[in-house]
Amino acid sequence: DTEVTQTPKHLVMGMTNKKSLKCEQHMGHRAMYWYKQKAKKPPELMFVYSYEKLSINESVPSRFSPECPNSSLLNLHLHALQPEDSALYLCASSQEDGGQGSETQYFGPGTRLTVL
Amino acid sequence: DQQVKQNSPSLSVQEGRISILNCDYTNSMFDYFLWYKKYPAEGPTFLISISSIKDKNEDGRFTVFLNKSAKHLSLHIVPSQPGDSAVYFCAASGKTSYDKVIFGPGTSLSVIP
Repeated sequence: DTEVTQTPKHLVMGMTNKKSLKCEQHMGHRAMYWYKQKAKKPPELMFVYSYEKLSINESVPSRFSPECPNSSLLNLHLHALQPEDSALYLCASSQEDGGQGSETQYFGPGTRLTVL
Repeated sequence: DQQVKQNSPSLSVQEGRISILNCDYTNSMFDYFLWYKKYPAEGPTFLISISSIKDKNEDGRFTVFLNKSAKHLSLHIVPSQPGDSAVYFCAASGKTSYDKVIFGPGTSLSVIP
């Protein structure tokens, strides 16, 4: 099973709303990632969690707040977003072998976010 | 500065023929290379990978070739099928899982029946 699930599939929110994106994997992976993808562009890394601790924040604005409640779940809390934040938000996970080698990331289907 | 380049934004191939997607990289510290396939409105799906200690990896219809001296890799799909029509991203990372995966801009492949 190499499935990463994300909810919701689509989200429309106003600039004053607070919403959350959810990601779940049951592969025993200990690294989880948030990416943002705009149309016709490659995914851009936002955050990396390793063993439930934030290890990389790619200078993402504070209106995006990640959370890793446990090793299977990853959330992205959204508040006061701008229309230019509209994009496909992708979650991914990988084994995390303690730095012994590079790993394949498995992606979820994404949440299509529209900010009005 | 793009560290991973895919210079062909699009490619059209007849069904049954070979599709060759190319990728170039600039960072000699990259150690691991991956190809992802992406359909519209879906997340990227892992296709095949290759470590820098190898020059070829094959999985069914998909073969990835790595030329380290030229900093070039290619994905061969033989025979191409209409269901292969998608955007293909080349990606590269360093030795550890703490190294970011850097994606190329993607090549849109159309396989014509």
